[in-house]
Amino acid sequence: SQKIEQNSEALNIQEGKTATLTCNYTNYSPAYLQWYRQDPGRGPVFLLLIRENEKEKRKERLKVTFDTTLKQSLFHITASQPADSATYLCALDEFSGGYNKLIFGAGTRLAVHP
Amino acid sequence: EAQVTQNPRYLITVTGKKLTVTCSQNMNHEYMSWYRQDPGLGLRQIYYSMNVEVTDKGDVPEGYKVSRKEKRNFPLILESPSPNQTSLYFCASSLEASYNSPLHFGNGTRLTVT
Repeated sequence: SQKIEQNSEALNIQEGKTATLTCNYTNYSPAYLQWYRQDPGRGPVFLLLIRENEKEKRKERLKVTFDTTLKQSLFHITASQPADSATYLCALDEFSGGYNKLIFGAGTRLAVHP
Repeated sequence: EAQVTQNPRYLITVTGKKLTVTCSQNMNHEYMSWYRQDPGLGLRQIYYSMNVEVTDKGDVPEGYKVSRKEKRNFPLILESPSPNQTSLYFCASSLEASYNSPLHFGNGTRLTVT
């Protein structure tokens, strides 16, 4: 079955810098890959979805890339702010039980320091 | 406001005492799902429902039951809770059971079984 690997160590960066988070998967390339943000004590919130035939997707200060050769997605936050501090989850589809379901990585915590 | 509502937010119980965690969505979503989140393990799917009266097991269904009698409600039932079910639980819904349909999450229920 598909496995997702996200860096378990927190990423600490200075305000204003670009944060880059990595999501690696092990098996076949998914048709879709999603990124979610999770704040402490809250449920994940959907941020971006990228399809396998899309190399890059942008939304305001967020950018996601999808490299099916490397089996990797990168999530970038430009001009990062302390309010961007959160855990970011990568999720991708896996065909199981007759339908495609989402499986999640454990997430990477981002801390943006003033 | 479009949302997924879970209750209660916090629950402390003893081994063997039946409990129900409620989940309700007001977005007329077809698909609903329960996840548990444990440190380092990410979100793991417990049960899901493609539509009313249609439910199926996820990856970690042991010790749990669900029902979907109405489109908006999807309660999670623990008939005889055990300490290994201590976890953070999330209910989620999406427009359809498709990998390109983002999930909307509730704010979680933190369950402690002693």
